[in-house]
Amino acid sequence: KAGVTQTPRYLIKTRGQQVTLSCSPISGHRSVSWYQQTPGQGLQFLFEYFSETQRNKGNFPGRFSGRQFSNSRSEMNVSTLELGDSALYLCASSLLYGSTDTQYFGPGTRLTVL
Amino acid sequence: AQKITQTQPGMFVQEKEAVTLDCTYDTSDQSYGLFWYKQPSSGEMIFLIYQGSYDEQNATEGRYSLNFQKARKSANLVISASQLGDSAMYFCAMRGQGGSQGNLIFGKGTKLSVKP
Repeated sequence: KAGVTQTPRYLIKTRGQQVTLSCSPISGHRSVSWYQQTPGQGLQFLFEYFSETQRNKGNFPGRFSGRQFSNSRSEMNVSTLELGDSALYLCASSLLYGSTDTQYFGPGTRLTVL
Repeated sequence: AQKITQTQPGMFVQEKEAVTLDCTYDTSDQSYGLFWYKQPSSGEMIFLIYQGSYDEQNATEGRYSLNFQKARKSANLVISASQLGDSAMYFCAMRGQGGSQGNLIFGKGTKLSVKP
């Protein structure tokens, strides 16, 4: 079974631009979560989607948004990019969203904002 | 609020020796899951092992075992017979009962270096 895929793997943008990252979950998984990883803040939860509905959202500004499609694929968008948005963005999928459901991660998208 | 604490920023271990990575957690949930992930320098987060809060036996997966002490709220990862390829960052994480607690909460990680 194919793992979680994320595109693109690398992105370079300038301040003020917007960016869209894509995530395809493991086949059959209906929950998709997004995390931001930076050296200073570590791994921080962005949002979680299940059956096209956002179930949970982390403490990030409204510039960060996401959505999930009927095939469980997910996208996240960051508008008006800031230097501090430079990070590794990780997508994870799981069958469901309970405490026993293991999240499997994709390879990440490394975003650099200049 | 849920919290994961990993007190070892970095550790060294000799190849073929065993190593224990510490993890303590804090939660008011009755049902929760504890996870360990490995992150090589490439960046991908690799799932290693899972322990449920109601599991009475410690989880094992090949060379990985989880030393779960519920009363002490600790979930230490034991890697037996370390290999050079085990050099990576290791993250302990917890997932709660759902709702606002449904996402993974991560510790700050431990950087493991395996010496030949």
